[in-house]
Amino acid sequence: SQKIEQNSEALNIQEGKTATLTCNYTNYSPAYLQWYRQDPGRGPVFLLLIRENEKEKRKERLKVTFDTTLKQSLFHITASQPADSATYLCALGGEGGGADGLTFGKGTHLIIQP
Amino acid sequence: DAGVIQSPRHEVTEMGQEVTLRCKPISGHNSLFWYRQTMMRGLELLIYFNNNVPIDDSGMPEDRFSAKMPNASFSTLKIQPSEPRDSAVYFCASLPDRGVASPLHFGNGTRLTVT
Repeated sequence: SQKIEQNSEALNIQEGKTATLTCNYTNYSPAYLQWYRQDPGRGPVFLLLIRENEKEKRKERLKVTFDTTLKQSLFHITASQPADSATYLCALGGEGGGADGLTFGKGTHLIIQP
Repeated sequence: DAGVIQSPRHEVTEMGQEVTLRCKPISGHNSLFWYRQTMMRGLELLIYFNNNVPIDDSGMPEDRFSAKMPNASFSTLKIQPSEPRDSAVYFCASLPDRGVASPLHFGNGTRLTVT
């Protein structure tokens, strides 16, 4: 069955360092991958999209990579700040090129310590 | 842009009661999704609509769950009868179109507690 794995334990990072979050998947051939941020009591908010033919995407302090051979995406936050503390979800979509509902990982809780 | 609006924000009910969750998608968005989030299972897709028509309801856990979208600006998710294991946060999300890779716009969810 399809499976998406993200770091299940909270990730503690010191302010100013780079935070790296991992998303691994099995039994899936996604056409694209998205990353979302979720704060307590709120819905997920879209951050970045990367397609299967792209290796890397950047947006300000955020960088995402997508390795379809390793079946893995890495999400980096450089110069991390306490305000970056949140849960980050990866989502896979479009297997076979479809545009149907995304499949989400359970998320990684990131804590940036001042 | 008011975003996706869900109501109520919190719902506490007793087992066996009917529960109705409501969602107003972003104006102009023609795809709507209902997700359920728990610690154990994360975010699970329950059902989604395109142009008010249900496309895939394979994620709906049981016949106790039903969803409707009578028009482009309103959708409901109903649970009847509710059970304690239905306790979760239910999210509604919308898309401007089903173009590949479009980001989902989520509401802030309804936290349901069934006692």
